[in-house]
Amino acid sequence: KAGVTQTPRYLIKTRGQQVTLSCSPISGHRSVSWYQQTPGQGLQFLFEYFSETQRNKGNFPGRFSGRQFSNSRSEMNVSTLELGDSALYLCASSPRDSRRANYGYTFGSGTRLTVV
Amino acid sequence: QQPVQSPQAVILREGEDAVINCSSSKALYSVHWYRQKHGEAPVFLMILLKGGEQKGHDKISASFNEKKQQSSLYLTASQLSYSGTYFCGTALINFGNEKLTFGTGTRLTIIP
Repeated sequence: KAGVTQTPRYLIKTRGQQVTLSCSPISGHRSVSWYQQTPGQGLQFLFEYFSETQRNKGNFPGRFSGRQFSNSRSEMNVSTLELGDSALYLCASSPRDSRRANYGYTFGSGTRLTVV
Repeated sequence: QQPVQSPQAVILREGEDAVINCSSSKALYSVHWYRQKHGEAPVFLMILLKGGEQKGHDKISASFNEKKQQSSLYLTASQLSYSGTYFCGTALINFGNEKLTFGTGTRLTIIP
């Protein structure tokens, strides 16, 4: 069974540019969440999508956006990149719903974004 | 509100036991536990639900004190493979519409 796939694995961008990251969840998982991980702030929740709808959003500026497609694949976009956006961006998928309360999230390996 | 984990770091010899705590200032519905090894993705260990039972598999177990809004992860007879950073993730509402807030992590190092 394939895991959560994130592409690309590494990315170097210049300040002011924009970037799009991709996440393919495990087949059958409709919930996809995005997290930013940095040494100083740890794992910070960005947003969660379920059946193409954003259900939850973290405390990040509007430059961070995302979407989910009908096949549950998700993309995250960051516009006008800043140096502080350098981080590991992790995607996680889950089958959690009212009948699957004991399931957790499966994380992808992440995309390492470096802004120079 | 980010949950507080303690200790921040711990070094143990193989075979020793460890307890990692996770505290929240808000009423919790569930607590997740994950382990992340260096350079790898976090891996789900277990989830504890409000009103649920203490969980465990192999030599790793966890409890959830709803009155204190605290969860503890217990690692007994630690093995080298237990090394990594442990994160608790807390949710304030029930499944289906939750937003996980993670603690800052506890770095566990097991030495031979």
